[in-house]
Amino acid sequence: QLQLQESGPGLVKPSETLSLTCTVSGGSISSSSYYWGWIRQPPGKGLEWIGTIYYSGSTYYNPSLKSRVTISVDTSKNQFSLKLSSVTAADTAVYYCARPTTVTGVDYWGQGTLVTVSS
Amino acid sequence: EIVLTQSPGTLSLSPGERATLSCRASQSVSSSYLAWYQQKPGQAPRLLIYGASSRATGIPDRFSGSGSGTDFTLTISRLEPEDFAVYYCQQYGRSPPWTFGQGTKVEIK
Repeated sequence: QLQLQESGPGLVKPSETLSLTCTVSGGSISSSSYYWGWIRQPPGKGLEWIGTIYYSGSTYYNPSLKSRVTISVDTSKNQFSLKLSSVTAADTAVYYCARPTTVTGVDYWGQGTLVTVSS
Repeated sequence: EIVLTQSPGTLSLSPGERATLSCRASQSVSSSYLAWYQQKPGQAPRLLIYGASSRATGIPDRFSGSGSGTDFTLTISRLEPEDFAVYYCQQYGRSPPWTFGQGTKVEIK
C-alpha cells in the first residue's frame, strides 16, 4: 500500500521560503507514468493545486504561484519536495502531497501538514 | 485553465435522503477526466469517483457520478450519517494544470 508523508517546518516567517518534503513508501517514486504533486488548503477554504512533477522530471505549476514555486524529486531517497518563496500570511494552509494520475485523479494523499506564515 | 463551479454551496438534508451535487466546467472536460472527492474535518480528501462515473476502490454503490462535457453530477442515493462532509470535483485532463471546484458542503438538516 502506497503511503505519502509530508514533513517540514510548521511555522515560516513572512518573506522567507517554505520548504516541505514528501516521503513515499510502499512504492518507487521513479515508477513510470506517475505524477507527484502538491495541493494546499487554507483554513476553512477549498483545495488549490500548487504543482506537479512527472517521474521524468517535467514540472507543471499553478500559473498563480509559478513565479514562487519549485518542485523537485530525489529518487535516491524516494522523496519529492516543494519550495515556495517570498511567503505571506495568504500562504498559510494545510499542504498535502499527493499522487495524481491521468486515469483516476488523485488516488493517494498524504495526511497533510499545517504551515503557518507568521513572524 | 478550466474553472469548475459547484452548486449548491451547502446542501441541508436528512439521513436517508438523496443528495444531488453539481459541477459545471468553463470548457469541455476532455474524455470525462472528472473526479469527485469527499473530505471530512481534519482529514485529507478521499477519492470517490473518477472518469466522471467510475467508483474508486471500496466506495459504496450509493455514490454515483454522471455527466460529460461541461456538466457533471454526483449523486448519493441515500445519505448515511458518515456521508455528511464536503465534496469537491476536480478535472484532470491529459496534462496539467488540473483544477478543483470550490466545494459543496452536505450538512445534516
